[in-house]
Amino acid sequence: AQRVTQPEKLLSVFKGAPVELKCNYSYSGSPELFWYVQYSRQRLQLLLRHISRESIKGFTADLNKGETSFHLKKPFAQEEDSAMYYCALSGPGGYQKVTFGIGTKLQVIP
Amino acid sequence: DAGVTQSPTHLIKTRGQQVTLRCSPISGHKSVSWYQQVLGQGPQFIFQYYEKEERGRGNFPDRFSARQFPNYSSELNVNALLLGDSALYLCASSPLTGGYNEQFFGPGTRLTVL
Repeated sequence: AQRVTQPEKLLSVFKGAPVELKCNYSYSGSPELFWYVQYSRQRLQLLLRHISRESIKGFTADLNKGETSFHLKKPFAQEEDSAMYYCALSGPGGYQKVTFGIGTKLQVIP
Repeated sequence: DAGVTQSPTHLIKTRGQQVTLRCSPISGHKSVSWYQQVLGQGPQFIFQYYEKEERGRGNFPDRFSARQFPNYSSELNVNALLLGDSALYLCASSPLTGGYNEQFFGPGTRLTVL
């Protein structure tokens, strides 16, 4: 069974401090991992995916297969980063169900 | 493109009734997925349709059904509504180009069952 665990429901950091949102997963095989973000009064949208190895809005995430983790990191938090963040997992190939974690609310304190 | 659209925005039903939710994907996207999101939880996968065929089904009872039309729009039907069906229902479309399952979400339909 595929499972995504986000251990923190709420993470509060001060502006300018580093951010790390944790995500651990369970999957037999090679999954696709994603981070989705939902800003206040906006729809859920893709932030980044592991296959792209890109940095979006200063966020990066590295897939660690040994620890089955896909933590989201940003060196310096900004107030506009305050949002709900969801880690998600899918099997490879596209025709697979997408499993979401429970979400972590990031609150950046000015 | 307005992105993924869903209708209605809000819906109130009573137990035992049936409901139909509608979704129009982004132009060119052939895959539509449905999710249920209850308060305080992440989206839970219900169905994925691609080229009008069901490609995936989550752990939901048979009261939940869906279909996809030739124009790739989709409907989600829920029969014999229960109080526990109250949730935000999200539709997402995906181009599935290159095999990547990136989801583009609609704003959702808020269903309240009384």
